[in-house]
Amino acid sequence: GNSVTQMEGPVTLSEEAFLTINCTYTATGYPSLFWYVQYPGEGLQLLLKATKADDKGSNKGFEATYRKETTSFHLEKGSVQVSDSAVYFCALSGGNTGFQKLVFGTGTRLLVSP
Amino acid sequence: EAGVVQSPRYKIIEKKQPVAFWCNPISGHNTLYWYLQNLGQGPELLIRYENEEAVDDSQLPKDRFSAERLKGVDSTLKIQPAELGDSAVYLCASSLVGANTGELFFGEGSRLTVL
Repeated sequence: GNSVTQMEGPVTLSEEAFLTINCTYTATGYPSLFWYVQYPGEGLQLLLKATKADDKGSNKGFEATYRKETTSFHLEKGSVQVSDSAVYFCALSGGNTGFQKLVFGTGTRLLVSP
Repeated sequence: EAGVVQSPRYKIIEKKQPVAFWCNPISGHNTLYWYLQNLGQGPELLIRYENEEAVDDSQLPKDRFSAERLKGVDSTLKIQPAELGDSAVYLCASSLVGANTGELFFGEGSRLTVL
């Protein structure tokens, strides 16, 4: 079945550092890929998405490119801020589980210090 | 616009007791989801409703868990009896049917502690 693998955290960075959070997936067909973020005390919210190979999703300075050849969707940001501290979840839908069912990775906690 | 509302936010019960969680989705969202999130893990789908019909409940442990979505709006998830391993966060989410965007709108979750 479909699955998502994320790098383990926590990822600890200083403000203005470059961020990469790795995400790889296993799926049949052509899934859509997502990054969700969970800020402290809040519900998960969609950060960005990509629905086909080579698409780049972007939002709030974050980017991720759908790489079918490496089955990856790594999250990047050029300069993190303290307010980016949160848990980031990579997820997919589609493939053999349908587009209405999201399959999540285990999450990666990001801690940004001033 | 109001988001997905869940209650209670926190619940502590003794094992073997029943517990219920309530969810009010975003107005107009036909699809409602209940996810289970264990500590340090990603959310896992328990059940998905389209309107009042449960279209995917394959991951719901039906011996102790039940859910309903009367009138296709609010939903309740019940556990009876609760076990120690049920301690987790129960997330409710909603989306538009047919949107196929993968964008789910989540509530803040209900954190259950079973003693």
